[in-house]
Amino acid sequence: SQQGEEDPQALSIQEGENATMNCSYKTSINNLQWYRQNSGRGLVHLILIRSNEREKHSGRLRVTLDTSKKSSSLLITASRAADTASYFCAPTPNDYKLSFGAGTTVTVRA
Amino acid sequence: DTEVTQTPKHLVMGMTNKKSLKCEQHMGHRAMYWYKQKAKKPPELMFVYSYEKLSINESVPSRFSPECPNSSLLNLHLHALQPEDSALYLCASSLEGGGSRNEQFFGPGTRLTVL
Repeated sequence: SQQGEEDPQALSIQEGENATMNCSYKTSINNLQWYRQNSGRGLVHLILIRSNEREKHSGRLRVTLDTSKKSSSLLITASRAADTASYFCAPTPNDYKLSFGAGTTVTVRA
Repeated sequence: DTEVTQTPKHLVMGMTNKKSLKCEQHMGHRAMYWYKQKAKKPPELMFVYSYEKLSINESVPSRFSPECPNSSLLNLHLHALQPEDSALYLCASSLEGGGSRNEQFFGPGTRLTVL
């Protein structure tokens, strides 16, 4: 399995602003998943984008995938205080394993 | 029911104790997972069960012993743990292990403290 590397490590934005974070990985994938974790709690699956997809939307979330650059981005639009969390990408080969990167910690200021 | 439940929420144990963590899901998922997460770190995979059989053990010390009594339940038996084993233990499940549909559903975790 492989690990994603998220960038930036931390992000602080004002409520209503957009937040963008990036994920890079090293080898070929079946899909790439994004998860959110609120402080000290379980992870919540946000979105799964398959290797043959380039962009996917879910509510205020927009995910892009560029397999030629081995990178993905997660955009959260019109952020809210409830979006304060750590966000992890998990580039997923065709097996059971999810390997998470260090994550991006997002703080949304009121 | 789209929930993974874990009990207990918190556990404090001594190094000589034996305890168990429990995880349950009723989504008909056939793959279940244990992860360990230290503070400010990402979750690390420990074990994977697929169709009630252990399919992956990520070189976890034998003081952690997983068990899958049936397709809805996953246990993690703990014995002779060390203080460095203190962490958040997360259980997850997915429809199946590999293939395209491997979105994982996580429980809220058990916060374990080893004294």
